[in-house]
Amino acid sequence: GENVEQHPSTLSVQEGDSAVIKCTYSDSASNYFPWYKQELGKRPQLIIDIRSNVGEKKDQRIAVTLNKTAKHFSLHITETQPEDSAVYFCAASFNYQLIWGAGTKLIIKP
Amino acid sequence: EAQVTQNPRYLITVTGKKLTVTCSQNMNHEYMSWYRQDPGLGLRQIYYSMNVEVTDKGDVPEGYKVSRKEKRNFPLILESPSPNQTSLYFCASSRGGTNEKLFFGSGTQLSVL
Repeated sequence: GENVEQHPSTLSVQEGDSAVIKCTYSDSASNYFPWYKQELGKRPQLIIDIRSNVGEKKDQRIAVTLNKTAKHFSLHITETQPEDSAVYFCAASFNYQLIWGAGTKLIIKP
Repeated sequence: EAQVTQNPRYLITVTGKKLTVTCSQNMNHEYMSWYRQDPGLGLRQIYYSMNVEVTDKGDVPEGYKVSRKEKRNFPLILESPSPNQTSLYFCASSRGGTNEKLFFGSGTQLSVL
């Protein structure tokens, strides 16, 4: 079936450094790729998304890039801060469903 | 306030005792969905609904039922819960489908003994 692979499963970075999380999807027809952030004990919340007709999108310290040919997309967080500590999920749309990656736990070291 | 309301927040039950987790949204959203979240597996879709009286299976529908009799409500029913259904459950809704922002409920932590 369709799947989304997400790497790494855990990422530890020094505060102020950049973090990059990568996802690969299997269905070439997917056209919507959101990223959700889930803080401990909370619900997932959308932080940024990208559609297949766009190669890159930025929102302040967060950016997402999409390579349709290679079928992968990445989340970039610059100047990381303690409040960036959370689990991040990528997803890809497929036939009225969202297929989710397994998540990346981002740890920001002081 | 625009929100998805999910109840209960925590639930402990025993094998075989029917239960219902309620989900309601006040945003007039067409699309609603149920997910379960297990460590290392991310979010897996149980059922979804594109509109009233229209429901479809997701990736892991076995052991679950849903109904969409009204636009705002999308309850999740476990007719005969088993221990492997112990999980964190989320209801979510969006205006028009999976190509738009999902609004999540606060989650239900279910333990089946």
